[in-house]
Amino acid sequence: DSGVTQTPKHLITATGQRVTLRCSPRSGDLSVYWYQQSLDQGLQFLIQYYNGEERAKGNILERFSAQQFPDLHSELNLSSLELGDSALYFCASSVGDGPTYNEQFFGPGTRLTVL
Amino acid sequence: QKEVEQDPGPLSVPEGAIVSLNCTYSNSAFQYFMWYRQYSRKGPELLMYTYSSGNKEDGRFTAQVDKSSKYISLFIRDSQPSDSATYLCAMSAVYNAGNMLTFGGGTRLMVKP
Repeated sequence: DSGVTQTPKHLITATGQRVTLRCSPRSGDLSVYWYQQSLDQGLQFLIQYYNGEERAKGNILERFSAQQFPDLHSELNLSSLELGDSALYFCASSVGDGPTYNEQFFGPGTRLTVL
Repeated sequence: QKEVEQDPGPLSVPEGAIVSLNCTYSNSAFQYFMWYRQYSRKGPELLMYTYSSGNKEDGRFTAQVDKSSKYISLFIRDSQPSDSATYLCAMSAVYNAGNMLTFGGGTRLMVKP
């Protein structure tokens, strides 16, 4: 158990809908990261927040947004869902911001199925 | 061409064998190198974290980084059936901000009793 929690574990929804994925980082970690894992694209970085501020952005679609709250939990919002958004979404956390001695620990993931 | 390439496998070995897993990369800015293990339908689990070139050993696992060749390896000694999983290499660079990881596609390993 990495100490990172994600809810829900599974989500089934229809095209065009909007969903919210939630992540709680390990105790003491200030950075939260979101990744998408699909069969064809592998594990792809979406976005990073550090202590409430956006720090890095990857290949995140405009239909997707995220935020980190004062209690450091984070939410990833996915809207106007398409079939291709079906994937595993992982949250990870680390103590600090940059890569120096800053290992990322992953949560169990949320499996999103868009029908 | 992807920034990080990894043979997808599957790699099948008998119990007790030495396993060698490899990644190549193209971005010379990568300085931090990680290996993650992912069991089916689970989150990636960090195994090894190394900086720049050299070796690092932790129990049955040894990570090697050769920056001149842009090549990293993970060796597993005395492999066990419980090592059967997908192994992902990941890398990051010291950019202006943030700590995004770039992953290889993963190698599926099967250790047969």
